[in-house]
Amino acid sequence: DGGITQSPKYLFRKEGQNVTLSCEQNLNHDAMYWYRQDPGQGLRLIYYSQIVNDFQKGDIAEGYSVSREKKESFPLTVTSAQKNPTAFYLCASSIGGGGSPLHFGNGTRLTVT
Amino acid sequence: DQQVKQNSPSLSVQEGRISILNCDYTNSMFDYFLWYKKYPAEGPTFLISISSIKDKNEDGRFTVFLNKSAKHLSLHIVPSQPGDSAVYFCAASEGAQKLVFGQGTRLTINP
Repeated sequence: DGGITQSPKYLFRKEGQNVTLSCEQNLNHDAMYWYRQDPGQGLRLIYYSQIVNDFQKGDIAEGYSVSREKKESFPLTVTSAQKNPTAFYLCASSIGGGGSPLHFGNGTRLTVT
Repeated sequence: DQQVKQNSPSLSVQEGRISILNCDYTNSMFDYFLWYKKYPAEGPTFLISISSIKDKNEDGRFTVFLNKSAKHLSLHIVPSQPGDSAVYFCAASEGAQKLVFGQGTRLTINP
């Protein structure tokens, strides 16, 4: 059963700590994405990768880092430099190309106190 | 600069009637438009899409209309069912570029 797995579903961290969110897909998709959802702001793109070992900044990349060492995996690190890290984080993948729908995971809710 | 806008944060519709969700965009280079549905604490799921060479696309109870001159698209759901209660996002892209999402509209279907 193909899909995108994000873990954990809920994550709690103290301010000043880095935290890594996991995203794995078995859809054989080339492109992967990280979005952040805040109330009333829709989905904002953090980073995306169209191919292994390559990734680009999205609209709100500051305070985040990613890697794409394997096609299946696209982990997101929320660093202590991110000023408002508490949010719902969504990972997605697509086959790439114009109009390709994104397939989303079920998200990770990160709370930083 | 919000390139994709959903100006109605919420919409309430009676079960069995038509739900119409609206979306406006500013970038005339957008050529693919998609609608997603999202339940709380879950990821969005793809509903329906349309390319700029068409003005209508239909899939069961869902129809998307595109008015390129007005830079406006809409999603019609008919008849509306209780399970349609969710947040709906429209999104647009220019070719193979990244998708840009609107803020979402919360649809509530009342019995």
